[in-house]
Amino acid sequence: KAGVTQTPRYLIKTRGQQVTLSCSPISGHRSVSWYQQTPGQGLQFLFEYFSETQRNKGNFPGRFSGRQFSNSRSEMNVSTLELGDSALYLCASSLAFGGNSYEQYFGPGTRLTVT
Amino acid sequence: GQNIDQPTEMTATEGAIVQINCTYQTSGFNGLFWYQQHAGEAPTFLSYNVLDGLEEKGRFSSFLSRSKGYSYLLLKELQMKDSASYLCAVSTGTASKLTFGTGTRLQVTL
Repeated sequence: KAGVTQTPRYLIKTRGQQVTLSCSPISGHRSVSWYQQTPGQGLQFLFEYFSETQRNKGNFPGRFSGRQFSNSRSEMNVSTLELGDSALYLCASSLAFGGNSYEQYFGPGTRLTVT
Repeated sequence: GQNIDQPTEMTATEGAIVQINCTYQTSGFNGLFWYQQHAGEAPTFLSYNVLDGLEEKGRFSSFLSRSKGYSYLLLKELQMKDSASYLCAVSTGTASKLTFGTGTRLQVTL
């Protein structure tokens, strides 16, 4: 079974631009969560989507948004980029219900650099 | 608020046993997770505790005390490949919403 895939793997943007990151979960997984990882703050929860609906949200400004499609693929968008948005953005998928639904599988991440 | 503490760095010798502690203060608790993350790679799931006690899985064991807000990850028969960061995380909502500690970087030496 293929793992979680994220595209692109690396991205360089300038301040003020916007960016869209994509995540394809493991087949059959319906929940997708997004995290931001930085050396200073560690892993921080952004939001979770399930059945095309945002189910949970972390403490990030409204510049960070996301969505989920009917095939469970998810995108996150960051508008008006700031230098502090430079980070590794990780996507994780899980079953959401039944079995080991608590177990999240992480993708390789998208490394975003804002200059 | 949410607060999860774990040591920043630890060093241990190949073949030894190491215990990585995690204390937490969170509003709500639905389970505690341990993840392993090698440099430049994604985190991988190690263990999940929701009830008090010890969960054993091969060379790795995880312990939880909910009344004390305390957990530890025990790694036995350390191998060089165990050099990685170990992340403690608490679920306060659905299991897909995790609050992570900053991680413990473990260095295994010869």
